[in-house]
Amino acid sequence: KQEVTQIPAALSVPEGENLVLNCSFTDSAIYNLQWFRQDPGKGLTSLLLIQSSQREQTSGRLNASLDKSSGRSTLYIAASQPGDSATYLCAVYRWGGTASKLTFGTGTRLQVTL
Amino acid sequence: GAVVSQHPSWVICKSGTSVKIECRSLDFQATTMFWYRQFPKQSLMLMATSNEGSKATYEQGVEKDKFLINHASLTLSTLTVTSAHPEDSSFYICSAPGQGASGYTFGSGTRLTVV
Repeated sequence: KQEVTQIPAALSVPEGENLVLNCSFTDSAIYNLQWFRQDPGKGLTSLLLIQSSQREQTSGRLNASLDKSSGRSTLYIAASQPGDSATYLCAVYRWGGTASKLTFGTGTRLQVTL
Repeated sequence: GAVVSQHPSWVICKSGTSVKIECRSLDFQATTMFWYRQFPKQSLMLMATSNEGSKATYEQGVEKDKFLINHASLTLSTLTVTSAHPEDSSFYICSAPGQGASGYTFGSGTRLTVV
């Protein structure tokens, strides 16, 4: 059974800092990994998708990497801003042309202070 | 990109009544829709998977008769909470795979409060 863990559970940093969120999964078979952010009381917003054949993806100040051999992914946020405050979730799944279930991590609550 | 529209965003209902939540894929066809429930400060818990034109698949421990799922078209899936009770109060979110390899798209969620 796939288990996904995120460390740390909560993080508070001053504005401008670079930070790294970690996601680890137990089954390193062919999986895609997707990072989301969730604001309080809201749905999930997709940040980055790393397909199983890829090692990293970048979007603006965000960079996500995937190391299947070690079962780990990191989300790097550069020059953090108060607007980055949210809960960040990683999710893994198989993609075989049909929809499959996502297994979510436990989440990291990020607070960026002024 | 793929957009899933979820309504209502919040609803308050009396105990014993039923509530319907809709999720529509706006610019793509969603043959599959996933329904999640989320408790405060917890991650998402998958409740069921709906497939267009067939019966939904429920996760273990989820009451089929309480949480009715209908996926009658390629753009609409509904979750009906029947005979709602205060313990059904929660945040419900739907999700569908986007087109190609774009990953999964989520609705904006529905906050259900049963009084």
